[in-house]
Amino acid sequence: EDQVTQSPEALRLQEGESSSLNCSYTVSGLRGLFWYRQDPGKGPEFLFTLYSAGEEKEKERLKATLTKKESFLHITAPKPEDSATYLCAVQAGGTYKYIFGTGTRLKVLA
Amino acid sequence: NAGVTQTPKFQVLKTGQSMTLQCAQDMNHNSMYWYRQDPGMGLRLIYYSASEGTTDKGEVPNGYNVSRLNKREFSLRLESAAPSQTSVYFCASNGGNTEAFFGQGTRLTVV
Repeated sequence: EDQVTQSPEALRLQEGESSSLNCSYTVSGLRGLFWYRQDPGKGPEFLFTLYSAGEEKEKERLKATLTKKESFLHITAPKPEDSATYLCAVQAGGTYKYIFGTGTRLKVLA
Repeated sequence: NAGVTQTPKFQVLKTGQSMTLQCAQDMNHNSMYWYRQDPGMGLRLIYYSASEGTTDKGEVPNGYNVSRLNKREFSLRLESAAPSQTSVYFCASNGGNTEAFFGQGTRLTVV
């Protein structure tokens, strides 16, 4: 069964304190792995797509990496405005469905 | 460019009432999706439509029906609402082997 597990469930960081969020997945043929940011009361906002092991993508203070079994979202020197829930999703080969993890709630304190 | 638009944004229903959640996208995407989001459960797929004229069940389809009215519109209907259907509902669309784009959600309470 295709599955996505995110850890930790919640993370509190001081401003400037770098850390990583984990997304472990089992899927029958990965079409793509996606990272989203979700602010309270809003829909998920797309951040990155990764397609194959070894791929990396960067945007401002965020960097996403992918291996054959997991993905990491590295946050370098975070700011309070980075506080949000970060969601990971996979799309399996031969299907149009996206399977989501339960997310990591990130709080960055000033 | 509006992206994915959902209506209504908020709704309160009594148990047993019916309603339809509307979703429209203006990105010429083939695939559209309905998810529900509950605390601690993440986003769970209710139904999806890979292309105009087709619909398929997702993980939690019971109690729901969908209609892919045309390429732009994908509606979700609750025939007889139950308190267990209290949730935030998101519509999404995508154009192929790419990311999905989400609407802002409909917050539904069934009392």
